[in-house]
Amino acid sequence: DGGITQSPKYLFRKEGQNVTLSCEQNLNHDAMYWYRQDPGQGLRLIYYSQIVNDFQKGDIAEGYSVSREKKESFPLTVTSAQKNPTAFYLCASSMDPLAKNIQYFGAGTRLSVL
Amino acid sequence: AQSVTQLDSQVPVFEEAPVELRCNYSSSVSVYLFWYVQYPNQGLQLLLKYLSGSTLVESINGFEAEFNKSQTSFHLRKPSVHISDTAEYFCAVENTGFQKLVFGTGTRLLVSP
Repeated sequence: DGGITQSPKYLFRKEGQNVTLSCEQNLNHDAMYWYRQDPGQGLRLIYYSQIVNDFQKGDIAEGYSVSREKKESFPLTVTSAQKNPTAFYLCASSMDPLAKNIQYFGAGTRLSVL
Repeated sequence: AQSVTQLDSQVPVFEEAPVELRCNYSSSVSVYLFWYVQYPNQGLQLLLKYLSGSTLVESINGFEAEFNKSQTSFHLRKPSVHISDTAEYFCAVENTGFQKLVFGTGTRLLVSP
């Protein structure tokens, strides 16, 4: 089945620790996105990538980093600089960001701080 | 800058009753409009979209939304809801050619027997 796989489903971070959230897609989509979801705030864009080896900051990139070495993979690292990382993180992809941008979402990773 | 307003954070309704979830957007250019649904602890699923053409768009499970350019609205409606429609619904907008979605804060639909 084609889709977007996020892992792990739940993740715990200790203070001062970096953690990496995985996002893999087998839809052959060019563009990939990371969002943060907090209660009552909707989704906010962290980073996005339109092609391999290129990515752009979204609205709340501080304290996060990404890489796009392969078309199917777009991992997100939550660094120790992110002081309030507890949230639900969603990865999405779209076939062609210039072609009506219908995004497909993974099931999410819930990150908590110990 | 674009923005999306979903005024109702929560809408309680009885099963088989009609429902309307409101969405207003601000944009000075042409837009694409979307409704996504999120079930508990899951990702978002596309419910329906307006890209061009007919201003009334429908989903396969009975929801519909109407694009109203003069009122900058894209309200979601269903004539008769089911318990299984209980979820959070997000409205989203994209300026044509801009490549990024802007989401509203979501409306939680609670359907009770």
